[in-house]
Amino acid sequence: GAVVSQHPSWVICKSGTSVKIECRSLDFQATTMFWYRQFPKQSLMLMATSNEGSKATYEQGVEKDKFLINHASLTLSTLTVTSAHPEDSSFYICSAIQSGAHYEQYFGPGTRLTVT
Amino acid sequence: EDQVTQSPEALRLQEGESSSLNCSYTVSGLRGLFWYRQDPGKGPEFLFTLYSAGEEKEKERLKATLTKKESFLHITAPKPEDSATYLCAVRPSNFNKFYFGSGTKLNVKP
Repeated sequence: GAVVSQHPSWVICKSGTSVKIECRSLDFQATTMFWYRQFPKQSLMLMATSNEGSKATYEQGVEKDKFLINHASLTLSTLTVTSAHPEDSSFYICSAIQSGAHYEQYFGPGTRLTVT
Repeated sequence: EDQVTQSPEALRLQEGESSSLNCSYTVSGLRGLFWYRQDPGKGPEFLFTLYSAGEEKEKERLKATLTKKESFLHITAPKPEDSATYLCAVRPSNFNKFYFGSGTKLNVKP
């Protein structure tokens, strides 16, 4: 149980284009999902908290117009990197908290984004 | 300020050599402390949740303990497949988010 999927697992795009990453909770409902970014050999950096049916809450320093988050249902959240640049290349990981659970978050497998 | 510090940054063990990883934290009210295992190029895998001082949880060769200021992840007789980065995170009682430590990279040699 408590499986979270991400799609795609890796993507290469050209500078200036937009990329959408999907995060799905497969066997549970998630009122809250988180989006993290991880640089090589570093820990997870929280980008934003996504709550179903409401606007995402972004961490300080994260451009909300560049990283668009939509939590359309209790099982799906999407992160769109708009007008991507090489500095946006990173490992993006989502996580989900099961509704009613004791705050245990389950992570997706991550998406490797490379912007050329 | 809420903060999580993990030590050591890296740990090399021989197979069968038991050891402990440390996670010290400063948080305004602890709602939960979490341990994860992360393999290269993958998302973190949930291991344990601890909620109150004195609590302990075990899973195979791993045992997590919690005090008011720190948590330990004890690894008994580790095997090479235990090699990974172990992450600690805390959730404060007044914020709906998690603060992560920088992780301990464990390498177990046969």
